[in-house]
Amino acid sequence: GQNIDQPTEMTATEGAIVQINCTYQTSGFNGLFWYQQHAGEAPTFLSYNVLDGLEEKGRFSSFLSRSKGYSYLLLKELQMKDSASYLCATGTGANNLFFGTGTRLTVIP
Amino acid sequence: GAVVSQHPSRVICKSGTSVKIECRSLDFQATTMFWYRQFPKQSLMLMATSNEGSKATYEQGVEKDKFLINHASLTLSTLTVTSAHPEDSSFYICSARVEGRTTEAFFGQGTRLTVV
Repeated sequence: GQNIDQPTEMTATEGAIVQINCTYQTSGFNGLFWYQQHAGEAPTFLSYNVLDGLEEKGRFSSFLSRSKGYSYLLLKELQMKDSASYLCATGTGANNLFFGTGTRLTVIP
Repeated sequence: GAVVSQHPSRVICKSGTSVKIECRSLDFQATTMFWYRQFPKQSLMLMATSNEGSKATYEQGVEKDKFLINHASLTLSTLTVTSAHPEDSSFYICSARVEGRTTEAFFGQGTRLTVV
């Protein structure tokens, strides 16, 4: 079966760094994805990890440990526009995505 | 990046009527598209996998006779919510992956369905 756990809500200050954790159990692992979703909009792709380690892309970095079933998304130099839900998702053997419930991040001044 | 267009973005319909949602891949061919549903403050739940030229594959608990999926061409998949009821009110999103590229799925803009 599939299961993803991530915190429901987080709050962080503008300019700070925030780490959003995700743990997963899955069969047929085909990569770990992070998406950003603003309210009422479709998700937008942030990152993809298939091998262990850290992937850095500008202010966003994502880490994966397959042996631990663990990933995190790191957001640096937070901006107000980063307030959104962040969805952790695993790629399945069927080539679709299984999503976690998402972490609602609120950035405060 | 690849573009997926979904239409309409919002629709309000009366209980008992049917609503069709279209999902198009604009600049690539998609033999497989995915339909998700998202209730408020919840995650995206996969409803079905749409396969071009063949029957869709539905997830457990999703009624195939209620949510009709047609994928008649390599660029178009449609989801029809038949005999809609208020509990069908939700955010419906389609996605597609470019063949041979597994790094990301491209999402349509989503359709907010309200059944009154």
